[in-house]
Amino acid sequence: EDKVVQSPLSLVVHEGDTVTLNCSYEVTNFRSLLWYKQEKKAPTFLFMLTSSGIEKKSGRLSSILDKKELFSILNITATQTGDSAIYLCAVWSEKLVFGKGMKLTVNP
Amino acid sequence: EAGVTQSPTHLIKTRGQQATLRCSPISGHTSVYWYQQALGLGLQFLLWYDEGEERNRGNFPPRFSGRQFPNYSSELNVNALELEDSALYLCASFQDSGNTIYFGEGSWLTVV
Repeated sequence: EDKVVQSPLSLVVHEGDTVTLNCSYEVTNFRSLLWYKQEKKAPTFLFMLTSSGIEKKSGRLSSILDKKELFSILNITATQTGDSAIYLCAVWSEKLVFGKGMKLTVNP
Repeated sequence: EAGVTQSPTHLIKTRGQQATLRCSPISGHTSVYWYQQALGLGLQFLLWYDEGEERNRGNFPPRFSGRQFPNYSSELNVNALELEDSALYLCASFQDSGNTIYFGEGSWLTVV
């Protein structure tokens, strides 16, 4: 069965810290990997990764995929309290499978 | 352009009753996913509808069912409600599998 594992499951940091979120996967017929941020209700899209080694960036957030080792990381630099959220990783194979999410708390 | 819309926002039912949740996808999207997110847990895949057909189903009992209409909107029905069905139900739409999916704001279902 397809599996997506995120680590750590929760993290508490101080403003200004840099955090790295991990997502590993075991799926048949990998197609793409997606990162989402969920604050209150609807997860909002961050990145879609399909090729290994190509970094995607958006402001202080960046992400990269390693299709050989079957994982992705999401980096957040200079964290702010507004980064506090649940970060979800999902992988497309025959359907879109989500990991359990990682709860990030950024304290002032 | 309107995003994915879901209704109702909140729903309170008693055990044994039935709940119906609705979802309208982004215009032009033909596929709809339903997920269940219980408090503190991740998104559990429920159902995938595409072009009016059920394409895939998660590990949920048959009392979770749904359908997709010709205009691609979708309904999720939960029969014989149990307390553990209390959760946020999220609908997402997309055009092609493998691409980005977009979520609605969700429907909170509380079973008492």
